[in-house]
Amino acid sequence: DQQVKQNSPSLSVQEGRISILNCDYTNSMFDYFLWYKKYPAEGPTFLISISSIKDKNEDGRFTVFLNKSAKHLSLHIVPSQPGDSAVYFCAALPGNNRKLIWGLGTSLAVNP
Amino acid sequence: DGGITQSPKYLFRKEGQNVTLSCEQNLNHDAMYWYRQDPGQGLRLIYYSQIVNDFQKGDIAEGYSVSREKKESFPLTVTSAQKNPTAFYLCASSPIPTGGLNTGELFFGEGSRLTVL
Repeated sequence: DQQVKQNSPSLSVQEGRISILNCDYTNSMFDYFLWYKKYPAEGPTFLISISSIKDKNEDGRFTVFLNKSAKHLSLHIVPSQPGDSAVYFCAALPGNNRKLIWGLGTSLAVNP
Repeated sequence: DGGITQSPKYLFRKEGQNVTLSCEQNLNHDAMYWYRQDPGQGLRLIYYSQIVNDFQKGDIAEGYSVSREKKESFPLTVTSAQKNPTAFYLCASSPIPTGGLNTGELFFGEGSRLTVL
């Protein structure tokens, strides 16, 4: 049973436009939500996170929005660049332990 | 430079052989983790350790074993009991804040791709 769901396996966007990656969750006890970026044959790298007490966190071109009532978060990348092409994983941290719960990932392709 | 080093990056083994993947970190992190990634499966937790000489099973521990004799090192052995060992293996570490907030951020190595022939 997936507690963290990324329902779009892939997304294609034109360079310069906005990329929106979505993530839904079922457990209202998550404390933190994180986004990781992964290139093929490499380990994931941390991108941005948001506490469950916030509804927005911004870092340069990356913004994460959290809608607790809908149990939904999204990652916005604007403007999108070809180097953003990667798999993006959404992950959530429960308040009672330290094991991250991972989504299955969304593969983003930014076309020049 | 501080980081996590996994070796080897690529490994081929015959069916029935045990194989050990190395993971070393110089970040002074207390917690270390092993994940497995298969196409379309995301990241699945194999084992994790929050302190030297202690470790816990993750979601898919069967057929794997670990040790944590030193803070810096967390090797993973893929035994012959693992039914489908061909995969991309990722090691990660994280600090455990004492009294502070745990934000869940993990630092990953480059991964090791194991292919069983």
